[in-house]
Amino acid sequence: AQTVTQSQPEMSVQEAETVTLSCTYDTSENNYYLFWYKQPPSRQMILVIRQEAYKQQNATENRFSVNFQKAAKSFSLKISDSQLGDTAMYFCAFMTGYSGGGADGLTFGKGTHLIIQP
Amino acid sequence: GAVVSQHPSWVICKSGTSVKIECRSLDFQATTMFWYRQFPKQSLMLMATSNEGSKATYEQGVEKDKFLINHASLTLSTLTVTSAHPEDSSFYICSARPGQVLSYEQYFGPGTRLTVT
Repeated sequence: AQTVTQSQPEMSVQEAETVTLSCTYDTSENNYYLFWYKQPPSRQMILVIRQEAYKQQNATENRFSVNFQKAAKSFSLKISDSQLGDTAMYFCAFMTGYSGGGADGLTFGKGTHLIIQP
Repeated sequence: GAVVSQHPSWVICKSGTSVKIECRSLDFQATTMFWYRQFPKQSLMLMATSNEGSKATYEQGVEKDKFLINHASLTLSTLTVTSAHPEDSSFYICSARPGQVLSYEQYFGPGTRLTVT
């Protein structure tokens, strides 16, 4: 079974600052995907960024980037130029690779409540 | 595109009654749908995986006789909470995975808040 650990229950930064959310995971799988999801007060889950384990290059989506360290099983999210709208819960999530025999759901960490201060 | 809806968005029911929650993929066919449960200020926990036309696969610790899942078509999955009790009060979220695109894509519904009195 996979586990995902987020050790920062809450973080607070000033608008325009850069913030890094940490995530570690444990798995014996070699083929998997890692995700960061944002859950604002509306509770709608929004995909922020995705990383395929077989890719060495870190994923980037505009102001969001990850630092994927496969050997260390670490997957941190960096938010640059933070904005008030970034205030939300952020969940790190793991999914095993699709083997063709079925599809797995996501295993989530406990989340980090990120607050962007004006 | 890739919109998933849930109905109802919130429901209040009396203890001992059953309640059905619908999850629909509006603009794509979902061969697989997932049901998650989220308690207040907690993370999402996978309850079950449903594949169209077959029985759902439940995660360890989830009572399959209490949480009935039906995935009768490629656009609809339902979760029925039978004989609900106050401890079943939670936020239930579904997600849907398209059958024709890359396997990692899945789209979340807006969730259903269930309160059992």
